[in-house]
Amino acid sequence: DGGITQSPKYLFRKEGQNVTLSCEQNLNHDAMYWYRQDPGQGLRLIYYSQIVNDFQKGDIAEGYSVSREKKESFPLTVTSAQKNPTAFYLCASRADRGDRQPQHFGDGTRLSIL
Amino acid sequence: AQSVAQPEDQVNVAEGNPLTVKCTYSVSGNPYLFWYVQYPNRGLQFLLKYITGDNLVKGSYGFEAEFNKSQTSFHLKKPSALVSDSALYFCAVRALSSNTGKLIFGQGTTLQVKP
Repeated sequence: DGGITQSPKYLFRKEGQNVTLSCEQNLNHDAMYWYRQDPGQGLRLIYYSQIVNDFQKGDIAEGYSVSREKKESFPLTVTSAQKNPTAFYLCASRADRGDRQPQHFGDGTRLSIL
Repeated sequence: AQSVAQPEDQVNVAEGNPLTVKCTYSVSGNPYLFWYVQYPNRGLQFLLKYITGDNLVKGSYGFEAEFNKSQTSFHLKKPSALVSDSALYFCAVRALSSNTGKLIFGQGTTLQVKP
């Protein structure tokens, strides 16, 4: 089955620690996205990538970093500079046939502070 | 600035009754509009989209949505609600930057269907 796999499902971060959230897709999609979801605020875009080795900041990129070394992988690092990292993080991908196509989502990673 | 508004935090309906989840938008140019559903601790699932053509769009699980340009609305509807439709629903609009696939999401509406 094609899809997007996010891991781990739950993650805990200590003070001053960087943590990395994994996102892998086998849909052969070119574009990938990271969102942060907080209660009552909808989804906010952190970073996106339309092609390997290229990515762009979204609306709330501060305190986060990404890489796109392979088409199928788009890991997100939550750095110690992100002072309020507790949230539900969602990864998405989209077939690059123009922006008429919907995004497909993984099942998320819930990050909490220890 | 482009935006999406879902004016109701929660919608309550009885099973078997019709349901409507409201969405209004503000964009420059032609809107591409999407509806997604999210179950607890899961990702978003795509329901339907409006790009062009017929104003009434049919999607998954019996849902449909009506695009109204004059009222800048894209309300989600279903003729007969099921308890299993209870979930969080998001409306989204394509951001102005074309071909990036960037979406702007509403804040979500919780749908509660009671038996």
